[in-house]
Amino acid sequence: QKEVEQDPGPLSVPEGAIVSLNCTYSNSAFQYFMWYRQYSRKGPELLMYTYSSGNKEDGRFTAQVDKSSKYISLFIRDSQPSDSATYLCALTGDDKIIFGKGTRLHILP
Amino acid sequence: SAVISQKPSRDICQRGTSLTIQCQVDSQVTMMFWYRQQPGQSLTLIATANQGSEATYESGFVIDKFPISRPNLTFSTLTVSNMSPEDSSIYLCSAATGHEQYFGPGTRLTVT
Repeated sequence: QKEVEQDPGPLSVPEGAIVSLNCTYSNSAFQYFMWYRQYSRKGPELLMYTYSSGNKEDGRFTAQVDKSSKYISLFIRDSQPSDSATYLCALTGDDKIIFGKGTRLHILP
Repeated sequence: SAVISQKPSRDICQRGTSLTIQCQVDSQVTMMFWYRQQPGQSLTLIATANQGSEATYESGFVIDKFPISRPNLTFSTLTVSNMSPEDSSIYLCSAATGHEQYFGPGTRLTVT
């Protein structure tokens, strides 16, 4: 079993829709969870950083962590064409960081 | 947070030559890393750049091919040596502050 699983997409949704991006992981040693956004030909940009189970909100973005299910999500409300990018989850613990393969998201105008 | 710059942003190199990529962080950081990213793929960690000691390489990466320097807490270099077309990729510098990790814009390398 891979340490982190993330659907590569592509995921296409109409502008204004709510987007749900997810990762599952297998190692309970992961304690810190991050979401990155990467535009084409750019480096990954840290969007959200969470530690505990529950929700963390930042503008149109909500990160959700369920440690009991080993499942993390990123929700994007009122999606915009500028949200079109690849979103990578990242998990840290035991002095290592693991990245998901990324989900390509297309917001259709 | 940390703001990271890389030079060059892109380069086209001939096989057999070497390229050194520079990474500058706007604040002192404990941990710096070098990653490689193939088009459409996720991130592959090459090595951790340790200040004052030799870099720690991941499986499949060796110092002779990817020598790394880290002379201080804000700067690191990665050299891609004796390049072949298989080395064509995006090389990303990263720095960690606490448990948050930040990335530079990347260096797009094409080897012909």
